[in-house]
Amino acid sequence: LAKTTQPISMDSYEGQEVNITCSHNNIATNDYITWYQQFPSQGPRFIIQGYKTKVTNEVASLFIPADRKSSTLSLPRVSLSDTAVYYCLVGDGNNAGNMLTFGGGTRLMVKP
Amino acid sequence: EAGVAQSPRYKIIEKRQSVAFWCNPISGHATLYWYQQILGQGPKLLIQFQNNGVVDDSQLPKDRFSAERLKGVDSTLKIQPAKLEDSAVYLCASSRDFHYEQYFGPGTRLTVT
Repeated sequence: LAKTTQPISMDSYEGQEVNITCSHNNIATNDYITWYQQFPSQGPRFIIQGYKTKVTNEVASLFIPADRKSSTLSLPRVSLSDTAVYYCLVGDGNNAGNMLTFGGGTRLMVKP
Repeated sequence: EAGVAQSPRYKIIEKRQSVAFWCNPISGHATLYWYQQILGQGPKLLIQFQNNGVVDDSQLPKDRFSAERLKGVDSTLKIQPAKLEDSAVYLCASSRDFHYEQYFGPGTRLTVT
């Protein structure tokens, strides 16, 4: 079971780059790493997914070192609307015993 | 495309009563998930379906919770009887296949009194 550990909270200011790290020491070979964003009273929303090295899309980058025991979500130039809870999810979801596990989430507060 | 639909959005029941939640996933999505999210915590996977078969239900309290996915499309989650600690938001999500991004519905907020 790939348990994940994230910082409970982070503060930032508008326009800054934010990096949130997730630890997953016992990640399995077939596991993917996925990040979700959640606003109050809404379901989580997909941000980015990766398996190794670096992945970039229009909203974020995901950095995964060679040992895959951690991953870092990078949000460039955050705005007030990026204030949310960010979850790291590890698993392949393809078989029982390797279930998808959300961490406790990181509460990001972006200040003006 | 239409998103994941869930109903009801809110439900208040007394302990020992039963309740059912309904989920309609995105059309064509093979994988369907039910999560329980207690206030201040991350979502906890209760059950995962691949088409109409169960992939993982290891965290489903089977003495009181049950779920089914009809014809590999819609799904229902039932709690019978409910306990106070079942108060939470129940989220349904679907994905194209097992490791693709999940699309979440708005959730059902259950309050057990």
